[in-house]
Amino acid sequence: AQKITQTQPGMFVQEKEAVTLDCTYDTSDQSYGLFWYKQPSSGEMIFLIYQGSYDEQNATEGRYSLNFQKARKSANLVISASQLGDSAMYFCAMNRFSGGYNKLIFGAGTRLAVHP
Amino acid sequence: GAGVSQSPRYKVTKRGQDVALRCDPISGHVSLYWYRQALGQGPEFLTYFNYEAQQDKSGLPNDRFSAERPEGSISTLTIQRTEQRDSAMYRCASSLGQGSSYEQYFGPGTRLTVT
Repeated sequence: AQKITQTQPGMFVQEKEAVTLDCTYDTSDQSYGLFWYKQPSSGEMIFLIYQGSYDEQNATEGRYSLNFQKARKSANLVISASQLGDSAMYFCAMNRFSGGYNKLIFGAGTRLAVHP
Repeated sequence: GAGVSQSPRYKVTKRGQDVALRCDPISGHVSLYWYRQALGQGPEFLTYFNYEAQQDKSGLPNDRFSAERPEGSISTLTIQRTEQRDSAMYRCASSLGQGSSYEQYFGPGTRLTVT
């Protein structure tokens, strides 16, 4: 069975510093995708970044990068130059591309607090 | 452009009542997903539609839960004879296609409270 593990229930970081949010996954599939979503206190789910299992380069989107280590089955999110607006819940997810569709399996999340 | 919308945003109902939750996906998105998110946890998959066809309902907890998408656009998740354990945030998401790299766009959710 597929599983996502986020071992850090809460993290804090000083404004302008970088922070890494951990995510490990378990799957026997060869083809899969890894996603990070941000959930601010308003409750919306905001897509941040995607990494495909066959992508050789680590994904980057602005201040977000995904440190993908396939052999270790980890997909950590790195946020550079943290801003106060980055304070939110962050979810790692993977898709199970079975039956030709993109069903997402989520971790329990990490709550990030950015301090001024 | 318009995102995924859900209604109602909040629903309080008494135990035993039926509720219907509505999802209006982004125009042109063929894939529609329903998830349930308990407080302090990540979303859990409930069911999936490709156009009007319900291709996976393996995440529906029991037969009190059902969903439909009759014209391949708006979807309704119905919970019959609600119980307190059904209280959660119910989220809908849509994506342009079925492929593994297609981003899912989430709606704001419906917060259901069963008293």
